[in-house]
Amino acid sequence: EVQLLESGGGLVQPGVSLRLSCAASGFTFSTYGMSWVRQAPGKGLEWVALFHDDNDRHYSESVLGRFAISRDNSKNMVYLQMNNLRGDDTAIYYCVKARGDSWGQGTLVTVSS
Amino acid sequence: DVVMSQSPLSLAVTLGQPASISCRSSHSLVYTDGDTYLNWFHQRPGQSPRRLIYKVSNRDSGVPDRFSGSGSGTDFTLKISRVEAEDVGVYYCMHSIKWPWTFGQGTKVEIK
Repeated sequence: EVQLLESGGGLVQPGVSLRLSCAASGFTFSTYGMSWVRQAPGKGLEWVALFHDDNDRHYSESVLGRFAISRDNSKNMVYLQMNNLRGDDTAIYYCVKARGDSWGQGTLVTVSS
Repeated sequence: DVVMSQSPLSLAVTLGQPASISCRSSHSLVYTDGDTYLNWFHQRPGQSPRRLIYKVSNRDSGVPDRFSGSGSGTDFTLKISRVEAEDVGVYYCMHSIKWPWTFGQGTKVEIK
């Protein structure tokens, strides 16, 4: 059974950094692209970052230059480093496998002073 | 960017009756490999999204056969043959043909 478990969310002030982690299990992790998708309170879904391999990473326009996705295949982990956080980054952040076939339960990031 | 547009944005359905959601993309979702990368997701209140359909019409494992997807090119449809109480929530279409992958606005389904 595929499991994705996010951690690292919390309440932070604008301008600070935060790193989200996702522990994956139940599948051959290294062979799949991994992503982060977010959902602002009461809003729709936004595909924030995608990691295919070291030379193939993508970011939404809204986070480009501030967020960085990475992964450690030896630990079955995927990360989202979020810098210079803003109020509009407030959202539930989901760890997602491949083209969305599995999702984690999400971790809430709240950016507020 | 490919823009995904859903209609209707809300839908009230009687239990046991059919429901249909339309999704239109601003560009063709046919990739160079010949596949069409259009997915449907369902999100119940307070839960994570779950993928129901991938590549237009393929049901994910465990998805009831009352759900079906159809369409081609830029026009797609999700149909529920007989709505059950557990089908409430928001349905999203999403493309993954090129970055950025984008979702439709969502269609909220409730029971009459």
